[in-house]
Amino acid sequence: LAKTTQPISMDSYEGQEVNITCSHNNIATNDYITWYQQFPSQGPRFIIQGYKTKVTNEVASLFIPADRKSSTLSLPRVSLSDTAVYYCLVGDDSGYSTLTFGKGTMLLVSP
Amino acid sequence: GAGVSQSPRYKVAKRGQDVALRCDPISGHVSLFWYQQALGQGPEFLTYFQNEAQLDKSGLPSDRFFAERPEGSVSTLKIQRTQQEDSAVYLCASSGGNEKLFFGSGTQLSVL
Repeated sequence: LAKTTQPISMDSYEGQEVNITCSHNNIATNDYITWYQQFPSQGPRFIIQGYKTKVTNEVASLFIPADRKSSTLSLPRVSLSDTAVYYCLVGDDSGYSTLTFGKGTMLLVSP
Repeated sequence: GAGVSQSPRYKVAKRGQDVALRCDPISGHVSLFWYQQALGQGPEFLTYFQNEAQLDKSGLPSDRFFAERPEGSVSTLKIQRTQQEDSAVYLCASSGGNEKLFFGSGTQLSVL
């Protein structure tokens, strides 16, 4: 299973763009990259998923370089409600994989 | 239902007591996962079902932990003779494929 490495914490201010980078040096050919967000007392919530290049949805963008050994979650114009833990996961789409969460990145957004 | 439902939301058990945690996945989701999350840590994989088949139970920490999904829908995680180190949030997730997991709010287990 591909292991991921993320910063333990990040600080930002409202209205700023936040970029969280995840390293996954031994990502396999069939692996997708998925990001989750978790608030206290809740289960993780899917944010975005990608395989290569760039993916954008209404919440975030995901940038994946050609070698796929890292990925960057970009949150535009964060608000206080974006304060949460963000997890980067790597796994294939076979429908059978034990997705491994790391410790995640604690993002604190201040006024 | 609209999402993954877990019950009870909170459970307090005396050490040595058996507990059963329930998970109602999203209707039609084939895959079901159980995770254990200690305070300040990321979720740790416990076990995985595809329909009623338990394909991976490598994350179960001891033989006191047992999970089942007899009809391929509702799942129960049972912990026998609970210990203090079992105190954690137990998360259930279901998936229809492509690794997009839908999580419940979890059951917070406190063993006294």
